[in-house]
Amino acid sequence: QKEVEQDPGPLSVPEGAIVSLNCTYSNSAFQYFMWYRQYSRKGPELLMYTYSSGNKEDGRFTAQVDKSSKYISLFIRDSQPSDSATYLCAMKDDYKLSFGAGTTVTVRA
Amino acid sequence: DTEVTQTPKHLVMGMTNKKSLKCEQHMGHRAMYWYKQKAKKPPELMFVYSYEKLSINESVPSRFSPECPNSSLLNLHLHALQPEDSALYLCASSPGQGATGSPLHFGNGTRLTVT
Repeated sequence: QKEVEQDPGPLSVPEGAIVSLNCTYSNSAFQYFMWYRQYSRKGPELLMYTYSSGNKEDGRFTAQVDKSSKYISLFIRDSQPSDSATYLCAMKDDYKLSFGAGTTVTVRA
Repeated sequence: DTEVTQTPKHLVMGMTNKKSLKCEQHMGHRAMYWYKQKAKKPPELMFVYSYEKLSINESVPSRFSPECPNSSLLNLHLHALQPEDSALYLCASSPGQGATGSPLHFGNGTRLTVT
C-alpha cells in the first residue's frame, strides 16, 4: 500500500465548475499537508499548505485536512481554463516529503 | 518565474559525458533537495542537504553525485548516465528539513535526455 493515495484522473470539468480533488494517507507521522500545481514542462508550484485539521482558504482555493480520517481535499471554485494542470498532494514528516500520484485536470472553455 | 533557479533548462548528453546541473536560491533556506521526475509520475526524492551537509541519499546510483558549495547553491554532477536516467530533474529548497521547515519551493527543473 502506498503512503499517499491520489486518484490520477484525468478529470475534465466545464469552466465555472467546482473542482474537487482528494488524497488519503496511512502515515500518522505526516504533519504538514500541501497542494502543488504543475503545468506541463514546469516545476511544481506551491498552492496551499496547512498544519492542522480544518479548512484553509486562499482566493478560489480551499484546502481541507481531516487528520482523524487521514484525508485531505482541495477545492477550486469558479474554475478557469488556466487551472488546467496536474495537481499533486504532498505530505511531510520529519524525514521527507511524500507525493500523491497527481491528478490531471482539464477545464473546458 | 520561481525563486529557485535551475540551469540549464535542457541538457542532452551522451552516456560517456560528464555534466553538471546547477541550482540557486536566495531565500535564506537551509535545506535543499534534488528530485527526479519521470513523465506522468510524481517527483521522487534523490538527495537532501541540510545546513550544507548531506542528510539523505535515497540509494541513488553513484553516477549521480551531489554537491552543496554553500547555503545558496546545489549542484548535481552526472557521469556515465544511462538512457533510463532521462527525466526532469527538480531542485527544491525549504527553510529547514524537518516537518516544521515546510513547505518546499521548487525550481522549473532541468529536462535531461541521455542518448
